[in-house]
Amino acid sequence: GAVVSQHPSRVICKSGTSVKIECRSLDFQATTMFWYRQFPKQSLMLMATSNEGSKATYEQGVEKDKFLINHASLTLSTLTVTSAHPEDSSFYICSAAGGTGHEKLFFGSGTQLSVL
Amino acid sequence: AQSVSQHNHHVILSEAASLELGCNYSYGGTVNLFWYVQYPGQHLQLLLKYFSGDPLVKGIKGFEAEFIKSKFSFNLRKPSVQWSDTAEYFCAVNAGNSGNTPLVFGKGTRLSVIA
Repeated sequence: GAVVSQHPSRVICKSGTSVKIECRSLDFQATTMFWYRQFPKQSLMLMATSNEGSKATYEQGVEKDKFLINHASLTLSTLTVTSAHPEDSSFYICSAAGGTGHEKLFFGSGTQLSVL
Repeated sequence: AQSVSQHNHHVILSEAASLELGCNYSYGGTVNLFWYVQYPGQHLQLLLKYFSGDPLVKGIKGFEAEFIKSKFSFNLRKPSVQWSDTAEYFCAVNAGNSGNTPLVFGKGTRLSVIA
């Protein structure tokens, strides 16, 4: 079964609204979670890295005030797309990592965000 | 910083043909290497990974990959593809000895297997 649950799988929203995406590790403690963005027919681009209990580290070019990441517990991280615009439409994927030797690194099923 | 190159954007093969997808990475330190597959409409699934040890790694569904350190390569192979192998394949790398570091992905290779 899935070890990382990402919800919702698909969301359609109006421009200007905010959308929250949840990523849960189901049977392990995820000390680190990664958020990626994937445009159609392109690769996954890392947006940010979050460690439980501390502020997320954002990649260059990613607006931290627009993409709010919270990693309040060892099993849950959330990505909130604030004041969404059509250009934010994309496929967002989380990845949860646990353990000390990269033995636990799993991906969520992704969230397709469409902003109208 | 790491980078990953996948040379083929789209590969078309007939069933039973052999497959080799190229992957080269750029990083001076110890790396972990991964191949993921993304079937149409589905999420990423891990095919195989290399952390250390035997450079020839066996994965699921008959896939294997060989880490050649001198060439900075980690090519994916399968002796005989099936129609169900039609998917997008991503090579990825992360730093090998610095805790939980993010994966850097290649652009992906789309494999189409025709009957």
